[in-house]
Amino acid sequence: DQQVKQNSPSLSVQEGRISILNCDYTNSMFDYFLWYKKYPAEGPTFLISISSIKDKNEDGRFTVFLNKSAKHLSLHIVPSQPGDSAVYFCAASPPFGNEKLTFGTGTRLTIIP
Amino acid sequence: NAGVTQTPKFRVLKTGQSMTLLCAQDMNHEYMYWYRQDPGMGLRLIHYSVGEGTTAKGEVPDGYNVSRLKKQNFLLGLESAAPSQTSVYFCASSKNRGGETQYFGPGTRLLVL
Repeated sequence: DQQVKQNSPSLSVQEGRISILNCDYTNSMFDYFLWYKKYPAEGPTFLISISSIKDKNEDGRFTVFLNKSAKHLSLHIVPSQPGDSAVYFCAASPPFGNEKLTFGTGTRLTIIP
Repeated sequence: NAGVTQTPKFRVLKTGQSMTLLCAQDMNHEYMYWYRQDPGMGLRLIHYSVGEGTTAKGEVPDGYNVSRLKKQNFLLGLESAAPSQTSVYFCASSKNRGGETQYFGPGTRLLVL
């Protein structure tokens, strides 16, 4: 039972354009969402997060949008740069007291120079 | 400040052999986790610990054991390795509850023949 889904295994975007990565979840109890970025042969690194009390969070070129009614979040990268080429995982957590994150299967983003 | 380190980086085992993967963190984090990453499966939680001396099962615990004798170390053991345990293993830690940002190690690539 995949509670966090990333339906696009891969995405290619031209340098300078916007990259949009999508994530859907099924558990309505999730209230905190994170995006991680992973380069080959390295561990995932935290990128950006959003609480369910917000619908948008921005950090430089990265913006995460949350649509609770649709149980959908997206990560926007503007403008996309070659260094953004990586695998992106979304993750979700229920309210306080639960110790675990549930990860999606990842989307491989390739930025074309 | 090394963050989260993992040893070894790579290992080849024969079916039935045993081994221990070591994770160490120098951030004084309470929570530690072991994940495995397989193609198309994302990151799946094997076991986790909410503090020194405690451990709990995650999503895919079968065939693995863990110990957290010291706060900074989290060991993952394979008593009798199977080819299905061929994977990349990541350790992570977080300061407070698991829903917050987790910091990952660089990974251990394990091949079981």
